[in-house]
Amino acid sequence: EVQLLESGGGLVQPGGSLRLSCAASGLTFSSYAMSWARQAPGKGLEWVSSITGNGDRTYYADAVKGRFTISRDNSKNTLFLQMNSLRAEDTALYYCAKTTGLDYWGQGTLVTVSS
Amino acid sequence: DVVMTQSPLSLPVTLGQPASISCRSSQSLVHSDGNTYLYWFQQRPGQSPRRLIYKVSNRESGVPDRFSGSGSGTDFTLNITRVEAEDIGVYYCMQGTHWPPATFGQGTKVEI
Repeated sequence: EVQLLESGGGLVQPGGSLRLSCAASGLTFSSYAMSWARQAPGKGLEWVSSITGNGDRTYYADAVKGRFTISRDNSKNTLFLQMNSLRAEDTALYYCAKTTGLDYWGQGTLVTVSS
Repeated sequence: DVVMTQSPLSLPVTLGQPASISCRSSQSLVHSDGNTYLYWFQQRPGQSPRRLIYKVSNRESGVPDRFSGSGSGTDFTLNITRVEAEDIGVYYCMQGTHWPPATFGQGTKVEI
């Protein structure tokens, strides 16, 4: 059974940084692209970023390009999202998901950007 | 970016009765490889999204057969033959053909 467990969320001031992690199990992690998506409070779903299985290519939504960096450690079955220059509009529940088609989702980790 | 438009945004339902959600894209979702990367997700209250349908009409493992997806080009539909209480929640369509970015519809809230 595929399991994705996000961590690293919290309260951060505007302009600050956070690093999210997603621990994956129940799959051959390096064989799959992985993604991050987010959901602002009371709002819909938004794709944020994806990375290929071996990490050689990364993709970003325009809203986060230049501020967020996706990466992975296939030896530890872990996906990361480094978030810098955070803004109030980045406040959301951040989900880790398997593949670019988002076939499995984690439970999410909440990021709140506020002074 | 491809804009996905769902209707209705709110869908009152009666248990045991059918329900239908429409999703339209601003351009054709037929990929150059011949596939159409249109997905449907269900998000129950307080839960993470769950993918129900991939490539227009293929049900994920474990998804009840009362759910079905159809459509082509720019017009797609999610049908529920007989709504059950556990089907209450928000449903989203998403396109992966013109990727990146993946883009979602606004969501349709299915409620009693």
